[in-house]
Amino acid sequence: GENVEQHPSTLSVQEGDSAVIKCTYSDSASNYFPWYKQELGKRPQLIIDIRSNVGEKKDQRIAVTLNKTAKHFSLHITETQPEDSAVYFCAASGGGGADGLTFGKGTHLIIQP
Amino acid sequence: GAGVSQTPSNKVTEKGKYVELRCDPISGHTALYWYRQSLGQGPEFLIYFQGTGAADDSGLPNDRFFAVRPEGSVSTLKIQRTERGDSAVYLCASSLLGTGDSPLHFGNGTRLTVT
Repeated sequence: GENVEQHPSTLSVQEGDSAVIKCTYSDSASNYFPWYKQELGKRPQLIIDIRSNVGEKKDQRIAVTLNKTAKHFSLHITETQPEDSAVYFCAASGGGGADGLTFGKGTHLIIQP
Repeated sequence: GAGVSQTPSNKVTEKGKYVELRCDPISGHTALYWYRQSLGQGPEFLIYFQGTGAADDSGLPNDRFFAVRPEGSVSTLKIQRTERGDSAVYLCASSLLGTGDSPLHFGNGTRLTVT
């Protein structure tokens, strides 16, 4: 089955700086890579996703890049703000289409004022 | 519109008891997923329904866990003979198509504590 590794487990950045979170996956058939943000005690919320036919996608301060050859994808947050503080999860879907997402273990992003 | 609704939000039960957790997906979403999230971990896949049938139950940890979706909408996750290790947040998610690249929308979860 799919295996997703996520780094770092904790990331502390100064407000206004950029943050980068990286994930690798094992199943070359995976074709969908979403990122979820989870605040303490709340549900995971989709913030951006990318499909395997695209190398990069951007939405305001958030961007995701995908390298299918190397089987890794990254989340980039620019001009970080205090409200960006949360746990971020990457995920990958199996090539079978109907399978559930496999999640990474999460990155606790801390924005220092 | 209404999002994914899960009840109860919290459930405390004694070891060995039976529990049922309910999920009401977004109206019109054909696919429904159950995940389990332990403290400090990412959600772990349990089971996926497409319509009324369980299309993939490979994530269920053992035969004490069972889930149904009899009318293709509301789903119930059932846990028999609960153990302390079952304590976690159980998340339900739904998606419009369930094609593997259709975004998942999560509920707030049920926090299960087995004493």
